[in-house]
Amino acid sequence: QQPVQSPQAVILREGEDAVINCSSSKALYSVHWYRQKHGEAPVFLMILLKGGEQKGHEKISASFNEKKQQSSLYLTASQLSYSGTYFCGTEGPDSWGKLQFGAGTQVVVTP
Amino acid sequence: ETGVTQTPRHLVMGMTNKKSLKCEQHLGHNAMYWYKQSAKKPLELMFVYSLEERVENNSVPSRFSPECPNSSHLFLHLHTLQPEDSALYLCASSQRRREAYNEQFFGPGTRLTVL
Repeated sequence: QQPVQSPQAVILREGEDAVINCSSSKALYSVHWYRQKHGEAPVFLMILLKGGEQKGHEKISASFNEKKQQSSLYLTASQLSYSGTYFCGTEGPDSWGKLQFGAGTQVVVTP
Repeated sequence: ETGVTQTPRHLVMGMTNKKSLKCEQHLGHNAMYWYKQSAKKPLELMFVYSLEERVENNSVPSRFSPECPNSSHLFLHLHTLQPEDSALYLCASSQRRREAYNEQFFGPGTRLTVL
């Protein structure tokens, strides 16, 4: 079952902050975050593992609440380059490498 | 060349045609994936190839046939497609391991239009 992302879309002014949420009804091993710009491939941003480990770009921050099976991606002091569609992908404990993706959150950052 | 490459980038085909999509990864990964991305729908995992094991999504129609001759190359053979198969087909690769980071790296995709 695919994870649920919220909000569906957000419009920000440069410098503002936003939070994107991803929740699953199933137990998770990890949550992945990707950003896709129009006409381009999704780009890996961050992965958060059960147990607290995480790996990703220095300028991106995220959290993973294992009890609630929820993850949040924090866009801080947004820049124009942050515009795009953000997807979370979830990996179950017995589904190594097989991701189920949310519907995406479209982010538009304006000057 | 680096990363994940896909050819062709655009493909238009009739319902009776047979065509193939090609993906190549230059990252030394042991797993490759095919995804379908339709408008206003989540990325849908179609196939996973890992260490010569093929894992399928049972909802994928048989008109899509994957082939993975080695760990660097992945093909998706298409035949007698339907207009609803029009979508962006993305290939990805990862170093697939148990209880480890399995981040995936995507190719630019093939935009497929079925007439």
